Amino acid sequence: DSGVTQTPKHLITATGQRVTLRCSPRSGDLSVYWYQQSLDQGLQFLIQYYNGEERAKGNILERFSAQQFPDLHSELNLSSLELGDSALYFCASSSQPGTVGEQYFGPGTRLTVT
Amino acid sequence: SQKIEQNSEALNIQEGKTATLTCNYTNYSPAYLQWYRQDPGRGPVFLLLIRENEKEKRKERLKVTFDTTLKQSLFHITASQPADSATYLCALPGALSGGSYIPTFGRGTSLIVHP
Repeated sequence: DSGVTQTPKHLITATGQRVTLRCSPRSGDLSVYWYQQSLDQGLQFLIQYYNGEERAKGNILERFSAQQFPDLHSELNLSSLELGDSALYFCASSSQPGTVGEQYFGPGTRLTVT
Repeated sequence: SQKIEQNSEALNIQEGKTATLTCNYTNYSPAYLQWYRQDPGRGPVFLLLIRENEKEKRKERLKVTFDTTLKQSLFHITASQPADSATYLCALPGALSGGSYIPTFGRGTSLIVHP
């Protein structure tokens, strides 16, 4: 158990809809990272927050947004969903502001868009 | 463009043998490299980090080497066990964004250890 929690575990929704994925980092970790993993793309970095502030941004679609709240939990919002958004979404946390050092990954949310 | 290559073919070995996985990269000059283990449907688990000034790093049955001239890292598991069967990912700091490097992962190599 990494200490990172993600909810929900599974999500099935229709195209065009909007969903929110939630992540609670390990106790004491200030950095939260979001990743998308699909069979054809591998593990892709989306965005990082450190202590409430956006830190690094990957190839995150404009339809996707995230935030980190004062209690350090984070939410990833996915809107106008398309079939291609079906994937595993992972959250990871670390104590570092940068990306050196280990990241602790959560169990993931499996999103299925029908 | 930057690229990380890991063998897409699964590596099958017998229990007790040493497994060696390769991570090659191009158009990077990483200050460090990481290896993660991922089981099906689960999040990656950090194993080892090796810095550019370290040639080799060990942790229990794991050994990682980092050759910045060859642009290659080798990941070894000695005395492999069926429980070591998983996908192993290497990760590098990629492009710089907002003061942090974007974590960039290889596609991973599946290791299958047969009893």
